[in-house]
Amino acid sequence: DAGVIQSPRHEVTEMGQEVTLRCKPISGHDYLFWYRQTMMRGLELLIYFNNNVPIDDSGMPEDRFSAKMPNASFSTLKIQPSEPRDSAVYFCASSLTGPTLLGLSNEKLFFGSGTQLSVL
Amino acid sequence: RKEVEQDPGPFNVPEGATVAFNCTYSNSASQSFFWYRQDCRKEPKLLMSVYSSGNEDGRFTAQLNRASQYISLLIRDSKLSDSATYLCVVNMRKGGGADGLTFGKGTHLIIQP
Repeated sequence: DAGVIQSPRHEVTEMGQEVTLRCKPISGHDYLFWYRQTMMRGLELLIYFNNNVPIDDSGMPEDRFSAKMPNASFSTLKIQPSEPRDSAVYFCASSLTGPTLLGLSNEKLFFGSGTQLSVL
Repeated sequence: RKEVEQDPGPFNVPEGATVAFNCTYSNSASQSFFWYRQDCRKEPKLLMSVYSSGNEDGRFTAQLNRASQYISLLIRDSKLSDSATYLCVVNMRKGGGADGLTFGKGTHLIIQP
């Protein structure tokens, strides 16, 4: 299995530019999560989808951030316009079960390798 | 109080020693608990789930104390390859019915030869 695939691995952009991060979850996984990791705040959940439908987007920082999942095998996280404080590592993750059941079953969360975003 | 709190370390431990660290969580209704491991510049990976009765996986032992709202991870006979950041993860139900995994900022462990 190829695992969760994210692209690009690194993105350097200038403030004000649009940034699009991409994710391909593990085939058959119904849940997809977008996380952001910084030294200051650690790993934060931005949004997650179940069967391509956004379930909880309460972690999305502001309207500059948007996420879509047009089909079961692809999701994007877009930042427009980007700002220096958006610099972080963005992880996509997928799982067979939702957050509540992850601890009650043998299922687990699989992370992609992340996208290191630097906004200058 | 932070939702999930860990000592960031670093913990500098000689190879072969035993090391333990704790994680506290604020929501008494939390349902599930995990330890994830994250190597430098890599993604987090599940190390082990934490069960109410405590559980062991080789050199790793996880414990849950619901009364005091903390979980612990103990590593025996530490290896150089154990050097990593260990993330405490708690599943807690949030307002509006949404739930999710809340990650601690991690404890950095360095095993020294």
